[in-house]
This record gives sequence, structure tokens and C-alpha cells, in this order.
Amino acid sequence: EAQVTQNPRYLITVTGKKLTVTCSQNMNHEYMSWYRQDPGLGLRQIYYSMNVEVTDKGDVPEGYKVSRKEKRNFPLILESPSPNQTSLYFCASSPRTGSTEAFFGQGTRLTVV
Amino acid sequence: GQQVMQIPQYQHVQEGEDFTTYCNSSTTLSNIQWYKQRPGGHPVFLIQLVKSGEVKKQKRLTFQFGEAKKNSSLHITATQTTDVGTYFCAGRFTDKLIFGTGTRLQVFP
Repeated sequence: EAQVTQNPRYLITVTGKKLTVTCSQNMNHEYMSWYRQDPGLGLRQIYYSMNVEVTDKGDVPEGYKVSRKEKRNFPLILESPSPNQTSLYFCASSPRTGSTEAFFGQGTRLTVV
Repeated sequence: GQQVMQIPQYQHVQEGEDFTTYCNSSTTLSNIQWYKQRPGGHPVFLIQLVKSGEVKKQKRLTFQFGEAKKNSSLHITATQTTDVGTYFCAGRFTDKLIFGTGTRLQVFP
């Protein structure tokens, strides 16, 4: 089944403790991205990647890192999480830049205390 | 930077009433997409509009792309309880897909 898989689905952590949210897609898509969703603000893009080893900042990249060593994986890294990074995170992939639909993962609800 | 504004933020309707959400961009878009997110779910692609003035229909849903490719609308005729959710527009700016703030639709039976 074609899908985007995020893990974990839920995470509660403490301020400053490094964490990684994994994202994997099995559709051989070139384009992958991370969004955070907050009430009243919609979906805001954190980082995106147009292909392996190619990443770029979205609208809200501060406090986040990403890597794209393989086509299928695009992990989101929070080196030192803070409470303002408490949010719902979505990973998405598309066949290529500028193409049709984005396929979203199930989401990761992160709470930083 | 590029911004995509969406109104209204919330809409409550009685089942059978119509519903419209509007999307406006600060700059010209390459294309615009619409997504639906059910409560507790993830965004799911509905449609993409590419041409100036384009109109597309999916059953009770009608999507329009403005002549200047800076605005768009989604109209639902005779809403049903299954239409509940948040509807997002997303504008394509070269490499980026910028989402609107979304319209949360509640339908009362």
C-alpha cells in the first residue's frame, strides 16, 4: 500500500532533550516536506527536500534540522526542543517538485514540557 | 514572503445549506490545490487547478481559480454531515506549497 509513515504518533518530552521524528515513503517520490499545524495558523512548512541531499528552509525552520540521505526517508530533528515547538507535525511527499498532490503521513503530536 | 489567506476561519451550517470558502494569495500562483482534513486526521488531496479561470466539479463540490491566478474558492452544495472537517487551499510558488489557514466546517443535522 502506498503510504507515508511517521513515527512516533505521539510524543511527550522535556525541554532540551534531543528527539527525531521519522518519515518514510514507499512511493519513490522525489519531493518531501515537513509541516507543523497550530490552531488558527494552518499548516506551515518547516523544511522541504527536492531530492536526495537537497534540502531547503520553509517558512518556520528555526529550531529544526532535517536530512535526506535516502530518497525514502526524511527525518525531522529537534536538537533542543522548547515548549513553543509543541504542535502537530505532518510529513508529506509528492512525485516531484511542482507536480500534483501531496501525500501526508498520519501526523505526530508532540508536547514539550 | 508568499502568503495565502483563507476565509472564513469557521463556518457552522445546517445540513442541506450551501458552504463556500475563499482563498487569496499575495502573489500569482503556479497552481492551487485543495485538501480536506477530517477531525483527528491528516490532510487529503481533493483537486488541483492550474489554468486561469478554471472551474472543476466533484459531485457537490465546485472549485474555481481566479482569472489573475491569485484567488480561489470551494463551494459545497447541500452540505451533508460527511462534509465536516477543515478545508485547506494550498498555493504552489515554484518549489514551495504554501497552505492557507483553513476553514473549519461544522454541519448540524
